[in-house]
Amino acid sequence: KAGVTQTPRYLIKTRGQQVTLSCSPISGHRSVSWYQQTPGQGLQFLFEYFSETQRNKGNFPGRFSGRQFSNSRSEMNVSTLELGDSALYLCASRFGGDMNTEAFFGQGTRLTVV
Amino acid sequence: LAKTTQPISMDSYEGQEVNITCSHNNIATNDYITWYQQFPSQGPRFIIQGYKTKVTNEVASLFIPADRKSSTLSLPRVSLSDTAVYYCLVGGRNNYGQNFVFGPGTRLSVLP
Repeated sequence: KAGVTQTPRYLIKTRGQQVTLSCSPISGHRSVSWYQQTPGQGLQFLFEYFSETQRNKGNFPGRFSGRQFSNSRSEMNVSTLELGDSALYLCASRFGGDMNTEAFFGQGTRLTVV
Repeated sequence: LAKTTQPISMDSYEGQEVNITCSHNNIATNDYITWYQQFPSQGPRFIIQGYKTKVTNEVASLFIPADRKSSTLSLPRVSLSDTAVYYCLVGGRNNYGQNFVFGPGTRLSVLP
């Protein structure tokens, strides 16, 4: 069974641009969560989608948004990029909607904002 | 919001038992405790989860005292490949909102 796939693996963007990251969950998984990881702040929860609905949201500005499609694939978008948005963005999928069940993480997309 | 604290780093030798403690003084009644392991350039990997007392699986044990204000991940007989960052996560089941908090992580170095 294929794992969680995130594309692209690496990305370089300029301040003020926007970026879209993609996550394909494990087949059959309906929950997708997104996390931001930086050396200074560690792992921070962004949001979680289940059956195309956003159910949980972390403490991030509105520039960070996401969506989930009917096939459970998810995208997250960051508009008006800032230097501080440089981070590893991780996606995790779960079979059901319970946030406390095991999450399977992808390898992440490393975003560098210059 | 259940904030967590963990030691920043720990050193151990191969074959030893390692115990990593996470403090979560403000844990809520419906919060579970989950531990993840992360290697460089990889996403975190689930290790174990518990609510109270003791949980054991094939790779680790999790000890949670009665007051649930802390938890201890126990790794028996560590090997070099256990060198990684270990995260403690406290979050609510079926809770909506900003209630999923990762700890700062403990960098475990296993020495030969």
